[in-house]
Parts: sequence; structure tokens; C-alpha cells
Amino acid sequence: EPEVTQTPSHQVTQMGQEVILRCVPISNHLYFYWYRQILGQKVEFLVSFYNNEISEKSEIFDDQFSVERPDGSNFTLKIRSTKLEDSAMYFCASSEQGSGNTIYFGEGSWLTVV
Amino acid sequence: GENVEQHPSTLSVQEGDSAVIKCTYSDSASNYFPWYKQELGKRPQLIIDIRSNVGEKKDQRIAVTLNKTAKHFSLHITETQPEDSAVYFCAVLGPSGNTPLVFGKGTRLSVIA
Repeated sequence: EPEVTQTPSHQVTQMGQEVILRCVPISNHLYFYWYRQILGQKVEFLVSFYNNEISEKSEIFDDQFSVERPDGSNFTLKIRSTKLEDSAMYFCASSEQGSGNTIYFGEGSWLTVV
Repeated sequence: GENVEQHPSTLSVQEGDSAVIKCTYSDSASNYFPWYKQELGKRPQLIIDIRSNVGEKKDQRIAVTLNKTAKHFSLHITETQPEDSAVYFCAVLGPSGNTPLVFGKGTRLSVIA
């Protein structure tokens, strides 16, 4: 069964450093998402991406965050200047269509900011 | 925006008993309601979903019911087993392709052998 894959699985970074999290969505999917989950809390939406542009973003997704699809397969989340509170599990997800379609999550990238 | 409330936050049941988790949502136009199971340190895994044109769906020991009028939906797990122990999240997706999936706060289910 096709899967969403993410790298790295775990990254530790110094506060203020830039971080790039990478994702390979399922190949025939058109909608891509980033969610985050702070330890012990619920999964929170960050951003959705369709047709090579952001279609929606939450208030969490401020100017420190950006997303990109640099080639036909990768989908990246960049955090420009990490803060302690950015420590969380970041999940990439994709769906074949938008509304009403199953969203599949990757295994997550655990980011620790020290 | 959509507001999803999930109850209870924790639930302990004896092995073999049933477990019920409930969620309410605010946007009557929402049309897709998945349930995810998340084991510690793992990704959320879809276990069952229901769309707004259906009132109930069952898959072996798991069922979901939807009451669109009251804007609530429930997850039912029968004959619980220790491996059902996990955090369960309900989620709601709006009608637009741009609407993000909004999650409830989760229910930590413990099945006691």
C-alpha cells in the first residue's frame, strides 16, 4: 500500500536555526498538508497545499514557516528561526482529492528545539 | 471556523466490554468524519470514516454513527481487546477542498485485561 514518507524521523536543533522537514506524498495525490502535534496534545492543522500554492493556513503558520514543492515528488516544510515552542511532531499528509477524501499521514518528524 | 469537542478525554474499560467516544462539531456544512487511532509515538491511523449522507457504518468491531441534525458522531468499539488501547481522535472535514481536517482533543482508551 502506498505511504506518505517523511524525513528525518527525528531532528534536534538549536534555537534560532533553520529546519527543513521533507515529505514524499502518495504519488497520485493532489492535496498536501502539514500538521503538528505537541507532545500529549491534539493534532493541529498548519497548512494545505494544492496546485503548487498554499490553499489554506492556520494562525500557527506564521512568517517563520514556509512550504515548497521543489520538484515533482517532495513537499517540504521550512521553519526559518526555530523557537523552543516549535518542538513537536510534524506530520505530513496527502489526499487524492480535497473535500471528503481520506487523508493519509506520514510517520512524522519529531523536532526538538534546544 | 470549525470547532470539534471530544469526550471523554480518558476512558478505561474491561477487556470484552464496549467503548463509546463522542464528538460534536459546529459547522453544519461539514461532510466527512474520520476517526483515527494513534499509538504512542506513531502516526494517526484511519480506522473508520463516515460521510454526511450516511447515518451509520460498521467494520467488524468498530462502528461510527452520525447525527447530522444534532451535529454529533460517535465511535463504538465492541469486545474491546488490550491492543485497542491507544489515543483515538475524531476529526471533521468541511465541504470545501481547501478546508483543513480539524481534530478533537483525543480520548486515551485503556483496555484492562
